Amino acid sequence: DAGVIQSPRHEVTEMGQEVTLRCKPISGHNSLFWYRQTMMRGLELLIYFNNNVPIDDSGMPEDRFSAKMPNASFSTLKIQPSEPRDSAVYFCASRSGTGRGGYTFGSGTRLTVV
Amino acid sequence: GESVGLHLPTLSVQEGDNSIINCAYSNSASDYFIWYKQESGKGPQFIIDIRSNMDKRQGQRVTVLLNKTVKHLSLQIAATQPGDSAVYFCAENIGGSARQLTFGSGTQLTVLP
Repeated sequence: DAGVIQSPRHEVTEMGQEVTLRCKPISGHNSLFWYRQTMMRGLELLIYFNNNVPIDDSGMPEDRFSAKMPNASFSTLKIQPSEPRDSAVYFCASRSGTGRGGYTFGSGTRLTVV
Repeated sequence: GESVGLHLPTLSVQEGDNSIINCAYSNSASDYFIWYKQESGKGPQFIIDIRSNMDKRQGQRVTVLLNKTVKHLSLQIAATQPGDSAVYFCAENIGGSARQLTFGSGTQLTVLP
């Protein structure tokens, strides 16, 4: 099991550019979560999907942020246009719908917008 | 003055001693709690969980205690090792079928040689 796979690991982009973060959840997990981590605000839930359907996107900060999950094995988080205050580490996590246990997190994407 | 960032509580312990990390949660309706460990440059890693119908659960070298009366959670690490140095987060399930979790701000544990 390769775990939750995120790409890229690091992204440096200029303000105004579009940024796309990618996530491959663990096979068989039916819930997927996008989190953002900053020193100011800690870990914040942005959006989560259940069976590929967005359930709660109330954590998405602005319309500049969008997320999709076209199938059970892939999700994207897009920021367009990006701003310096979007700089953070973005984590994807997935969870099985059965049994106990928390999420399995990916290694994160460190985004720097200059 | 305005905070410029999260002021993570810090805990320093000698290698071999026991560590106790505390967490206060906010919602009395929360029914599921998890402790995560996050090492530098990595994502949070599941350590142990506990449901609200329990007050104690033990794992390998770790014990979680839950006091619902005062909404307090603690993580005890026995015989702390250098590899235990990390930021530790507690998380609570506020509700929802997808086990949506809300994370605390974290505690930085440093193990001294």
